[in-house]
Amino acid sequence: DIQMTQSPSSMSASLGDRVTITCQASQDIGNNLIWFQQKPGKSPRPMIYYATNLANGVPSRFSGSRSGSDYSLTISSLESEDMADYHCLQYKQYPYTFGAGTKLELK
Amino acid sequence: EVLLQQSGAELVRPGSSVKISCKASGYTFTDYYMHWVKQRPEQGLVWIGRINPANGNTVYAEKFKSKATLTADKSSNTAYMQLSSLTSEDTATYFCTIMVIIWGQGVMVTVSS
Repeated sequence: DIQMTQSPSSMSASLGDRVTITCQASQDIGNNLIWFQQKPGKSPRPMIYYATNLANGVPSRFSGSRSGSDYSLTISSLESEDMADYHCLQYKQYPYTFGAGTKLELK
Repeated sequence: EVLLQQSGAELVRPGSSVKISCKASGYTFTDYYMHWVKQRPEQGLVWIGRINPANGNTVYAEKFKSKATLTADKSSNTAYMQLSSLTSEDTATYFCTIMVIIWGQGVMVTVSS
């Protein structure tokens, strides 16, 4: 199975900060990665698909990038509505595997 | 509008089984695989498996091969997941999703005596 190592597991940041969350894939997944945002009691919301593509309706302060086996989600200027859990998912091969998640909180 | 409407919360006894549903609308049911995902309270997401509604073909994550059974009814555009031999470890919210892009609202299954 492909392991997705996500970091950090939690972080606190201030409004306006630049925030980066990373997932490292244990095997080649190409760009077959999605970033989700999840708020309490809600379903995951796709934010970035195919590693770098912004999903419909997602603010432009969100972006995705790739460097080798490292995939990053960046929020350029944190807003209060961005406080949530973030998950990465590889869909290159079965079984699909998620990162362990990052809890983003307000400092 | 594409919608996945899941069944209601379940409270079930240890050792029993439960079958939850996911009714699809707004697209051709047989065009997309239906995936199922588990999320235990305050924990991450885990992929359970997927079914091809067109022919019933299934793929499961290894740890769910004896736990989950995925089926699909083309006549009612509804996918089902049955969970068997339930334990406290199965207490979780279960999501259905197509393309891991469109998600149902989730079903909370609580296993308790």
